[in-house]
Amino acid sequence: AQSVTQPDIHITVSEGASLELRCNYSYGATPYLFWYVQSPGQGLQLLLKYFSGDTLVQGIKGFEAEFKRSQSSFNLRKPSVHWSDAAEYFCAVATAAGNKLTFGGGTRVLVKP
Amino acid sequence: DAGVTQSPTHLIKTRGQQVTLRCSPKSGHDTVSWYQQALGQGPQFIFQYYEEEERQRGNFPDRFSGHQFPNYSSELNVNALLLGDSALYLCASSLESDRPNYGYTFGSGTRLTVV
Repeated sequence: AQSVTQPDIHITVSEGASLELRCNYSYGATPYLFWYVQSPGQGLQLLLKYFSGDTLVQGIKGFEAEFKRSQSSFNLRKPSVHWSDAAEYFCAVATAAGNKLTFGGGTRVLVKP
Repeated sequence: DAGVTQSPTHLIKTRGQQVTLRCSPKSGHDTVSWYQQALGQGPQFIFQYYEEEERQRGNFPDRFSGHQFPNYSSELNVNALLLGDSALYLCASSLESDRPNYGYTFGSGTRLTVV
């Protein structure tokens, strides 16, 4: 069965600074990988996803993620954060033939002015 | 174009009671999945409905059951509520023909508190 670990529960970053959120997955075959964002009182919004091909994936809101098979990682990055990026971020994995997403525990991002 | 609508937004129930949560999928979507998100945790898959049948189920007891109606809307029922059932319940809709792309649209959830 697949699983996802997000090692950082909380991250505090200054506005304008860069952000990197870590995600490690466990799955025997080629995974489908996702990053979602959840703002307070909101549902989950997809930032980006990786299925195959170029290992550097561009998403919405200026986010990007890099798939590294050798490290079983799919880290999310943003060069310059905005106060509106304060939210909880979830990494998720799925299988090519499956129907469900398996989520990590999430990383809460706080943005200092 | 309305997204996924869930009702109610908040709910307080007593241990042992039963609860029904409702989900209207995004227009054009025919598949509904339910997730449970406990406080401070990531969402966990409960089950998925397609063509009014439960297609796949996560590791949840039989107290959790669901239904999908001909108009694709769905209900999640939880019987004999426990304190541990307190969580945000998320509904996600998708289109079966788009299944390989995992094109989910999530609702804002129903916050269930069991006291």
